[in-house]
Amino acid sequence: DIQMTQSPSSLSASVGDRVTLTCRASQSIGSYLNWYQQKPGKAPKLLIYAASSLQSGVPSRFSGSGSGTDFTLTISSLQPEDFATYYCQQSYSILRGTFGPGTKVDIK
Amino acid sequence: EVQLVESGGGLVQPGGSLRLSCAASGFTFSAYWMTWVRQAPGKGLEWVANIKQDGSEKNYVDSVKGRFTISRDNAKNSLYLQMNSLRAEDTAVYYCARDTVMALYGYYYYYMDVWGKGTTVTVSS
Repeated sequence: DIQMTQSPSSLSASVGDRVTLTCRASQSIGSYLNWYQQKPGKAPKLLIYAASSLQSGVPSRFSGSGSGTDFTLTISSLQPEDFATYYCQQSYSILRGTFGPGTKVDIK
Repeated sequence: EVQLVESGGGLVQPGGSLRLSCAASGFTFSAYWMTWVRQAPGKGLEWVANIKQDGSEKNYVDSVKGRFTISRDNAKNSLYLQMNSLRAEDTAVYYCARDTVMALYGYYYYYMDVWGKGTTVTVSS
């Protein structure tokens, strides 16, 4: 099975900061990588699919990159509503939609 | 409005059973793979199971194989998760999600773009 890791597990940042989150797959998954944002008590929200495609309605300050085993989610200028936990998910196989353990972004 | 609404959660004793439902509206339910995802208290997301549009393919995470059954009724726009032999470690919020496929550069990419608000399952004596 494909395993996903994320780093860091948490980070503290200020409004306006540029933030980069990392996700790594245990084997090559091409561009089959999605990013979700989750706020406490809420359902996850899709941000990025196919590693770099921005979901409709998601602000352009969010961007994704990478392929193979290494991926990044970048928030160009952190906004107050961006404080949340971010999960990557591989969709290389429809059989196993493994999620990473998440990165929590909180206020410095 | 595109919407998924889960129901059926509750408190159940270890070894017991529960059936979750997910009602879909605002889109052609029969055209999509559907997925259940769960989240234990204070933990991350865990993919649980998915089912093909016509119900002919079903897949499960190893920890629920043989205990959980995913199904759907396209006439009722509904997704189900039958959970048997429940354990304490099945305690979680259970979300249903729509699996959308996008054709890009000759490849097909799947992602979960619509989620319900979740239903809480607590397994405890």
